[in-house]
Amino acid sequence: GENVEQHPSTLSVQEGDSAVIKCTYSDSASNYFPWYKQELGKRPQLIIDIRSNVGEKKDQRIAVTLNKTAKHFSLHITETQPEDSAVYFCAASTGFQKLVFGTGTRLLVSP
Amino acid sequence: DAGITQSPRHKVTETGTPVTLRCHQTENHRYMYWYRQDPGHGLRLIHYSYGVKDTDKGEVSDGYSVSRSKTEDFLLTLESATSSQTSVYFCAISEWDYEQYFGPGTRLTVT
Repeated sequence: GENVEQHPSTLSVQEGDSAVIKCTYSDSASNYFPWYKQELGKRPQLIIDIRSNVGEKKDQRIAVTLNKTAKHFSLHITETQPEDSAVYFCAASTGFQKLVFGTGTRLLVSP
Repeated sequence: DAGITQSPRHKVTETGTPVTLRCHQTENHRYMYWYRQDPGHGLRLIHYSYGVKDTDKGEVSDGYSVSRSKTEDFLLTLESATSSQTSVYFCAISEWDYEQYFGPGTRLTVT
């Protein structure tokens, strides 16, 4: 079955810097790759996603890139702000409308 | 947030007792999911449903059962709770496009 690995597990940056979180997946049939942001004590929130027919997608300060050949995708956050501090999860689709999640990256943005 | 509620939001129970968690949606989405979230493990799928009375197991289904008698309700039951089932439980919903939206979560403690 699908396996998703996520790195790094923690990431500390200064406000204004960029942050990059990377995920790899194992199933070449996966075709949907979402990213979720989870603030402390809250539910995971879908912030951006990409499908296999697209190589890059941007939404203001966040972007996601996908390399299907290498089976990896990444989340890029530019001009980080303290409110970006949260845990971020990547996921990859598997059969029957299911997702397999990475183990999460704790992002800390220091003022 | 999508129209998803979970009840109870917090519960403390003793080992060996049965526990039922409820997920209710007002979006009329076909797919519903139960995940557990534990430190270092991300979100792991317990069971999911692809229609009324249609359910299947996820990767960590041992000790759990589910039922879906109506489109809007998906119940997760721990027949005999164990300390290893102490966790935060999230329900999610989806339509045909793989996008999953999460409920607010239930924090369960088994003593």
